[in-house]
Amino acid sequence: DAGVIQSPRHEVTEMGQEVTLRCKPISGHDYLFWYRQTMMRGLELLIYFNNNVPIDDSGMPEDRFSAKMPNASFSTLKIQPSEPRDSAVYFCASSLGQTAQYFGPGTRLLVL
Amino acid sequence: QQQVKQSPQSLIVQKGGISIINCAYENTAFDYFPWYQQFPGKGPALLIAIRPDVSEKKEGRFTISFNKSAKQFSLHIMDSQPGDSATYFCAASRRGGADGLTFGKGTHLIIQP
Repeated sequence: DAGVIQSPRHEVTEMGQEVTLRCKPISGHDYLFWYRQTMMRGLELLIYFNNNVPIDDSGMPEDRFSAKMPNASFSTLKIQPSEPRDSAVYFCASSLGQTAQYFGPGTRLLVL
Repeated sequence: QQQVKQSPQSLIVQKGGISIINCAYENTAFDYFPWYQQFPGKGPALLIAIRPDVSEKKEGRFTISFNKSAKQFSLHIMDSQPGDSATYFCAASRRGGADGLTFGKGTHLIIQP
């Protein structure tokens, strides 16, 4: 069974450009989480969805970040405009109810 | 405010020894405590998790000890192997795990052969 799928795996862009990260959760899971990992701040929650509805977006840094989940098998995290301080590894994770969260391989983003 | 504090930041253990990583939390609403293992270039992978109704959980060489009154929990890796060399994160969550995870800062573990 396929795990959480993220694309792209690597993204290099220039400051001011729009960046879109994509995630396909494990089939049947009803929770989807977006996390960001940096050396300075570690792993931090950005936003999570339950049954495609955003539940907690308090971790989203600012209005430049937005996330959507149009259906149970797809979610996007968009940064517009991107800034160098957004450089990080972005992880998507999914879970079924009160069970373990399974992480994807991550998208390594570098904003020049 | 760091809600989950993890120590040590790095740890070197001889092959066959016991690796011990500690975490402390502040939010008494947390009721789910997982440990994740991360290798370079990979996503975190769940190792073992515990809920506060038990004080200890063991899975193979990995054991979680949980002290609710002290708001502390720890990971013990018995018979540590070079393949265990990785970064380990403790985490905590509310609502039995159906909530976002708050992570510790991580422990870089090196097992020397």
